[in-house]
Amino acid sequence: SQQGEEDPQALSIQEGENATMNCSYKTSINNLQWYRQNSGRGLVHLILIRSNEREKHSGRLRVTLDTSKKSSSLLITASRAADTASYFCAIAGTYKYIFGTGTRLKVLA
Amino acid sequence: EPEVTQTPSHQVTQMGQEVILRCVPISNHLYFYWYRQILGQKVEFLVSFYNNEISEKSEIFDDQFSVERPDGSNFTLKIRSTKLEDSAMYFCARSTQGDRGYGYTFGSGTRLTVV
Repeated sequence: SQQGEEDPQALSIQEGENATMNCSYKTSINNLQWYRQNSGRGLVHLILIRSNEREKHSGRLRVTLDTSKKSSSLLITASRAADTASYFCAIAGTYKYIFGTGTRLKVLA
Repeated sequence: EPEVTQTPSHQVTQMGQEVILRCVPISNHLYFYWYRQILGQKVEFLVSFYNNEISEKSEIFDDQFSVERPDGSNFTLKIRSTKLEDSAMYFCARSTQGDRGYGYTFGSGTRLTVV
């Protein structure tokens, strides 16, 4: 299966702490994306990282990709209560992306 | 203004009825997708659509589902005879480059409730 698998499934941290979420996959990829979803809402694209990239930053977000280990991580620094959401990785297929099962992040104020 | 608009935002339908979910992307988009998410579960791929043809579809996308772009603008997902298990959020997405490195823009979704 090409599906990404995130871990942990759920993460609860205090505001100000860093949150790290991981995604592992099984096949070779062209690129990988991270999305955020607030409860009951749509999917918001966060970062796309290509297979020839190792790290990308966007504001408080840092994404790494290790193609040898077939894994990616999303780091949110200095977390805020508003970061509370589910975070999904998505693996690029031929004509589609396959989403992982997600990590539910809860940031406590 | 959102780049991908979905209507309706919420639809309730009787089991066995037909529903049409609509997506209005910006006109220069080439690749379109439908995904669904059953409450509390993962986001599942349904179908991809390019150049007015289905590029790929999942096992979920059986004969009761169909997609079309009837007027070159709206992109629709039709469910012919809804079942209780079709209750989910349905997301439309668009891309200008398929999966080749530019990501998707998702609509805000349509929550379908089958009763």
